[in-house]
Amino acid sequence: DAGVIQSPRHEVTEMGQEVTLRCKPISGHDYLFWYRQTMMRGLELLIYFNNNVPIDDSGMPEDRFSAKMPNASFSTLKIQPSEPRDSAVYFCASSYRQGAGYTFGSGTRLTVV
Amino acid sequence: AQSVTQLGSHVSVSEGALVLLRCNYSSSVPPYLFWYVQYPNQGLQLLLKYTTGATLVKGINGFEAEFKKSETSFHLTKPSAHMSDAAEYFCAVSVSGNTGKLIFGQGTTLQVKP
Repeated sequence: DAGVIQSPRHEVTEMGQEVTLRCKPISGHDYLFWYRQTMMRGLELLIYFNNNVPIDDSGMPEDRFSAKMPNASFSTLKIQPSEPRDSAVYFCASSYRQGAGYTFGSGTRLTVV
Repeated sequence: AQSVTQLGSHVSVSEGALVLLRCNYSSSVPPYLFWYVQYPNQGLQLLLKYTTGATLVKGINGFEAEFKKSETSFHLTKPSAHMSDAAEYFCAVSVSGNTGKLIFGQGTTLQVKP
């Protein structure tokens, strides 16, 4: 299994631009999670999906952030417009059930200048 | 509501010494507990987990953790530290209900000195 695949690994963009992060979960995993990691705030859960349906998006910082999961094998996290304070590492993780734990992707390091 | 507290943001040990990383949790229901490790510029990797059954759980790379309900703790240990153990370690607890959602602690950076 290739694991959870995220792209791109690194993204540098200018303030105000749209950014799209992509994630392919492990086949058969029904849960997909988007996390953001910063030095100041640690790991923050942004949103998670179960069977492609958003279950909890209370961690999404503001309306500039949106996430979709059009099918079981693909999810996107979009930031529009991006701001310097969005600079962080964004992780996608998937799981097949409670108690199984997550499998994390390698993350996307986003820098907004 | 579930929560996790990791005691000590930085721990430093000598190579060959005991590693002890502390984690306390708060949960109104029997928890599922996890330890993850993150090496620089990588994602988090599952070290071990406790769901039910035996309270002493063994994981990868020689790590183990013991679930102590009376102390609401799930401390991570390794008898002899190796240089390659230097990383950040996260304790996590599952949220009640069949959601699959985990709550992570703030992390503990382990430094291993030669």
